[in-house]
Amino acid sequence: QVQLQESGPGLVKPSQTLSLTCIVSGASISGGGYYWTWIRQHPGKGLEWIGYIYYSGSTFYNPSLKSRLTISADMSKNHFSLKLSSLTAADTAVYYCAREGDTAVQGAFDIWGQGTMVTVSS
Amino acid sequence: QSALTQPASVSGSPGQSITISCTGTSSDVGGYNLVSWYQQHPGKAPKLIIYEVSNRPSRISTRFSGSKSGNTASLTISGLQAEDEADYYCYSYTSSTTRIFGGGTKLTVL
Repeated sequence: QVQLQESGPGLVKPSQTLSLTCIVSGASISGGGYYWTWIRQHPGKGLEWIGYIYYSGSTFYNPSLKSRLTISADMSKNHFSLKLSSLTAADTAVYYCAREGDTAVQGAFDIWGQGTMVTVSS
Repeated sequence: QSALTQPASVSGSPGQSITISCTGTSSDVGGYNLVSWYQQHPGKAPKLIIYEVSNRPSRISTRFSGSKSGNTASLTISGLQAEDEADYYCYSYTSSTTRIFGGGTKLTVL
């Protein structure tokens, strides 16, 4: 079955850049039909959509994060990544990668990673 | 763009039915049949329970159902069980420059 697994540092210093990777197994991110997405959840709060990359390489970002955000994909390794720069404590959150359907299960996140907690602190 | 509006909390007794609303605008909920719902237990990742307004993934109980009227979508859980106690989020495709979730609803099974 399709599985997503986030990896990255649990603790990052303010002003630094966060780098997270989502390893995809059971499906090919180059196969089309899905938006490979990052979502975060601040402690005790709701879900915030961060952005996605499509198999074509096109990206779409949350305007509130766009100036600090880069989402990329390595098709050969079947993973996609997030880089978020100029971190502050407000970026402390659980970061999830997820798959959003473009045709099947359209407009819904049918597969999620387990999430990785990122704390921004000196 | 503001989050979709959900009640902060709802509650019900075992065996009862509850409904959670998700109100948006004609640019999101009202404009597309692309509303989905997620269940999240503490410390776990969200799980898809309804997509395209009223479709259920194969592994999801028939006690969960979805509907939409105008700019408001609804999730109904019938025959409440203790295991249904969780947070629930709606999500809608939108024509705006971002994607939005509802603020979340905490369901308490009394």
